[in-house]
Amino acid sequence: NAGVTQTPKFQVLKTGQSMTLQCAQDMNHNSMYWYRQDPGMGLRLIYYSASEGTTDKGEVPNGYNVSRLNKREFSLRLESAAPSQTSVYFCASTRTVFDNQPQHFGDGTRLSIL
Amino acid sequence: EDQVTQSPEALRLQEGESSSLNCSYTVSGLRGLFWYRQDPGKGPEFLFTLYSAGEEKEKERLKATLTKKESFLHITAPKPEDSATYLCAVQASGTYKYIFGTGTRLKVLA
Repeated sequence: NAGVTQTPKFQVLKTGQSMTLQCAQDMNHNSMYWYRQDPGMGLRLIYYSASEGTTDKGEVPNGYNVSRLNKREFSLRLESAAPSQTSVYFCASTRTVFDNQPQHFGDGTRLSIL
Repeated sequence: EDQVTQSPEALRLQEGESSSLNCSYTVSGLRGLFWYRQDPGKGPEFLFTLYSAGEEKEKERLKATLTKKESFLHITAPKPEDSATYLCAVQASGTYKYIFGTGTRLKVLA
């Protein structure tokens, strides 16, 4: 019973490098989200996908792109990493954005950019 | 502006010492208020959803309550395994986004 799976768990990048964070859920959920969590800031929404084929910006989208590959998978890409993007990234899913349901989270990707 | 504030930032309790965590919110219509538990190195784990003022939910030593401006997470006779960060989030009317507080770090000493 995996739930939401994120890969990799840890990553170190140099400034300017690119990488893609992967997220997959096996709960047949329609909606998926990407957050970053920084000390003292709480969880901040980067992008979300209400349903397969749609994506929308959240609170802090600059420097990121997303792809909703299919119903299960939602990836986050950093095209040119910057030290300010050092953070813990969480992927979450819900059955649908329309019915006030709680989110289910993965265990995060810890990303350091030097 | 929609906002969620949690207090205290950190709390240390002796085993068996009951207390409450607070989540104050300002939103233009509440669709739902959610409590999560987060252990170090892990993602948030869902605990409760509250939808309307006066609603209460219970699970083991935890009880969540909701008023029109705040929610409380009451911890009765806590144990060391209750040590974690507790997060509160709200979903406002007319939006599909969830707004999170910064959490309360709870440490229960044996």
